[in-house]
Amino acid sequence: QVQVVESGGGVVQPGTSLRLSCEASGFSVTNYAMYWVRQAPGKGLEWLAVIPYDGSDEYYADSVKGRFTISRDTSRNTLYLQMNSLRTEDTALYYCAKGGGQAWWSPQDYWGQGTLVTVSS
Amino acid sequence: EIVLTQSPGTLSLSPGERATFSCRASQYVGSNYLAWYQQRPGQAPRLLIYAASARATGIPDRFSGSMSGTDFTLTISRLEPEDFAVYYCQQYGNSPLTFGGGTKVEIK
Repeated sequence: QVQVVESGGGVVQPGTSLRLSCEASGFSVTNYAMYWVRQAPGKGLEWLAVIPYDGSDEYYADSVKGRFTISRDTSRNTLYLQMNSLRTEDTALYYCAKGGGQAWWSPQDYWGQGTLVTVSS
Repeated sequence: EIVLTQSPGTLSLSPGERATFSCRASQYVGSNYLAWYQQRPGQAPRLLIYAASARATGIPDRFSGSMSGTDFTLTISRLEPEDFAVYYCQQYGNSPLTFGGGTKVEIK
């Protein structure tokens, strides 16, 4: 069955880097757009980044543009989020989600349970 | 950036009642690419509705979506106990993708 499982979260200091992983099963990341969405404690959802099925482009929210990079390893069927220059306001639960289609303009139809990132000194 | 404004912030209703959620976009949402998600406490979001009115796989028919111009509506015809949750709208037709602030449905 379709599943995405995030990992890589933890407690880090401001200004440092962290890489999140999202292992996909039951489908190929080469057939669907893939997304990262986060949720700060007690807050709403914030879309961060998307990569379409063919990896031809990437789109980012202004809040993370230039600091975060979405990528994938098709041989591992895994999505990544490289997060640099982390700030305290990046503290959140980070979700990986599968798109319902190939293009970046797809709804997110399967979500993982999230991985928690805490940025604190 | 398209801003989505959800109202009300909280709905207090009883099981069996009808729930209506509003999501207003600050500008036209391309191709009606508007989705609704449900998030129960401690759980990941779940896709309910996409393209403004299409139900996602496995979603009961008590959930329905509609639109009029830049106003989108999610309706739950009769609330079940498991429907008490937070509901978010999202537009995915324009970058950056944006979510509304959410509406919480609580038991009255």
